[in-house]
Amino acid sequence: DAGVTQSPTHLIKTRGQQVTLRCSPKSGHDTVSWYQQALGQGPQFIFQYYEEEERQRGNFPDRFSGHQFPNYSSELNVNALLLGDSALYLCASSRSDGKNIQYFGAGTRLSVL
Amino acid sequence: GEDVEQSLFLSVREGDSSVINCTYTDSSSTYLYWYKQEPGAGLQLLTYIFSNMDMKQDQRLTVLLNKKDKHLSLRIADTQTGDSAIYFCAEKDYNQGGKLIFGQGTELSVKP
Repeated sequence: DAGVTQSPTHLIKTRGQQVTLRCSPKSGHDTVSWYQQALGQGPQFIFQYYEEEERQRGNFPDRFSGHQFPNYSSELNVNALLLGDSALYLCASSRSDGKNIQYFGAGTRLSVL
Repeated sequence: GEDVEQSLFLSVREGDSSVINCTYTDSSSTYLYWYKQEPGAGLQLLTYIFSNMDMKQDQRLTVLLNKKDKHLSLRIADTQTGDSAIYFCAEKDYNQGGKLIFGQGTELSVKP
């Protein structure tokens, strides 16, 4: 049983560009959450998707958007990249059972130059 | 406000017990979690505890929850060099149930 998978593993972009990160949830999970982890910090919640809709959102600007597909996989899009967007982006999947037990992928390391 | 706090570093000898501490602010939190992160990797769920429990044991791991003091701890028995990593505690946000609020992480160093 594959766990949460993310692609790509690493990405290098320049300021002003746009990026799309992808996530496939663990089998049996229907909810996907995205987090940003800056170096030396804990992960910060970006948003959560359930039934193809953004259900909850953290304190991130509109440049961060997402999508969930009918097969529960998800994308995170970031527009107009800033140097400060350089971070590890983590995807987590869970069941919609109220416990919110989230399983994380290995992450995508984004470097903005 | 929401905040989860942890001490930043802990160093122990191989074979000793490690205790990693965490305090949280939201007394309405229903679930609390411990994750492990090795260098360059994602987060691995170690265990979680529901707020109506005081203690949970899972092999070498023991979680203690003191709701009155909003204090959570993770004890690792017989710590091994492979346990060296960063450990994060997290709480489930009461208002935004999908959101986990993480501490800054405790770096555990296990010396042989």
